[in-house]
Amino acid sequence: TQLLEQSPQFLSIQEGENLTVYCNSSSVFSSLQWYRQEPGEGPVLLVTVVTGGEVKKLKRLTFQFGDARKDSSLHITAAQTGDTGLYLCAGAVRGATNKLIFGTGTLLAVQP
Amino acid sequence: NAGVTQTPKFRILKIGQSMTLQCTQDMNHNYMYWYRQDPGMGLKLIYYSVGAGITDKGEVPNGYNVSRSTTEDFPLRLELAAPSQTSVYFCASSYPPAGWGGYGYTFGSGTRLTVV
Repeated sequence: TQLLEQSPQFLSIQEGENLTVYCNSSSVFSSLQWYRQEPGEGPVLLVTVVTGGEVKKLKRLTFQFGDARKDSSLHITAAQTGDTGLYLCAGAVRGATNKLIFGTGTLLAVQP
Repeated sequence: NAGVTQTPKFRILKIGQSMTLQCTQDMNHNYMYWYRQDPGMGLKLIYYSVGAGITDKGEVPNGYNVSRSTTEDFPLRLELAAPSQTSVYFCASSYPPAGWGGYGYTFGSGTRLTVV
């Protein structure tokens, strides 16, 4: 069973602070995605990274795919209360790219 | 444009009862999935389908069944409900497979199931 471990599990910060969430595995992924989930809703796709070493920016969010395509990180600059939610990474494994394996999740609370 | 619609949103079942969780999508997506999400956890794949008439098991299929007679619908059947099936169930769809060309899953809003 492939595992995607996320750290930290929980994060509570003040508005304006920076943070980084990590997603690690021993498996190689053909692509990796990040989702955000709000209470009572399904996850919503934020970004997909495909190439090892790739960096993508989405306003204050920066996503990086590891060179070996086994890990990824999400960095948020100057967090806002609207960033609060559960962040999930999800990977498509080579040879099984028609389904995603989800990480354990990071619950972020941004306090005003 | 409804996307992925799940019904019901909430349900309480007694041990041993059966029920069907409904999922329908209007995006003409070939790929559909059922995941469960336990408190404080990520999502675990129960079953998936790559097209009408084709289904396959995921990580945690025991106690569940699926069918895919049309592109739009992918119901999940729980037989003989057990407390361990208390969870939030999400249906998702994609076209093409998630990760290709930046495409991801479109999720429904979930069904919260409690088995007592």
